[in-house]
Amino acid sequence: AQSVTQLDSQVPVFEEAPVELRCNYSSSVSVYLFWYVQYPNQGLQLLLKYLSGSTLVKGINGFEAEFNKSQTSFHLRKPSVHISDTAEYFCAVSPSNDYKLSFGAGTTVTVRA
Amino acid sequence: SAVISQKPSRDICQRGTSLTIQCQVDSQVTMMFWYRQQPGQSLTLIATANQGSEATYESGFVIDKFPISRPNLTFSTLTVSNMSPEDSSIYLCSVEFGLAGGNYEQYFGPGTRLTVT
Repeated sequence: AQSVTQLDSQVPVFEEAPVELRCNYSSSVSVYLFWYVQYPNQGLQLLLKYLSGSTLVKGINGFEAEFNKSQTSFHLRKPSVHISDTAEYFCAVSPSNDYKLSFGAGTTVTVRA
Repeated sequence: SAVISQKPSRDICQRGTSLTIQCQVDSQVTMMFWYRQQPGQSLTLIATANQGSEATYESGFVIDKFPISRPNLTFSTLTVSNMSPEDSSIYLCSVEFGLAGGNYEQYFGPGTRLTVT
């Protein structure tokens, strides 16, 4: 079984400042890793994913994440946030041979001017 | 990509009643999923629905409480039966969509916000 831990439940940040959202996972098998964003009153949107290859993954809206196998982490970063980045962010993992996603508890990012 | 719609978008229901949530996809997909997101919590997979077979339920979820239909490759329904306030959640459907190179992505619908009074 897989599990995901998002280390920060809430992250307040000022506009144009950088942000990092931390995600650690545990699994006995190889995994795929994902970050989803949920804007207020909307469904989930895929930000980026790691399947294989380069450990630095670039996604939409200027986000990127780095897969670190030795630390079992997949932290999400953005160098300069906007007010519109205010949302809930979910880290998720699935076994590489399966489709079932396991989600972290989520991190609420609030961007202030 | 896939565009997914859900009906209703929200509802307020009385305890003891049932609500059927519809999920429509704009392309044919083999695998559809139903998730629950309880207030302030993350998503939990309820079941996997493949067309032409019985849904597969995750631990803690049973067919009598959450019957699912999957009549074709673009549509599914989830019924929340005999509702109680603890069923107040956002219910989301998702689909697994095949990409070039044999990879897959899951796309999510906008969710149905259910409040049980």
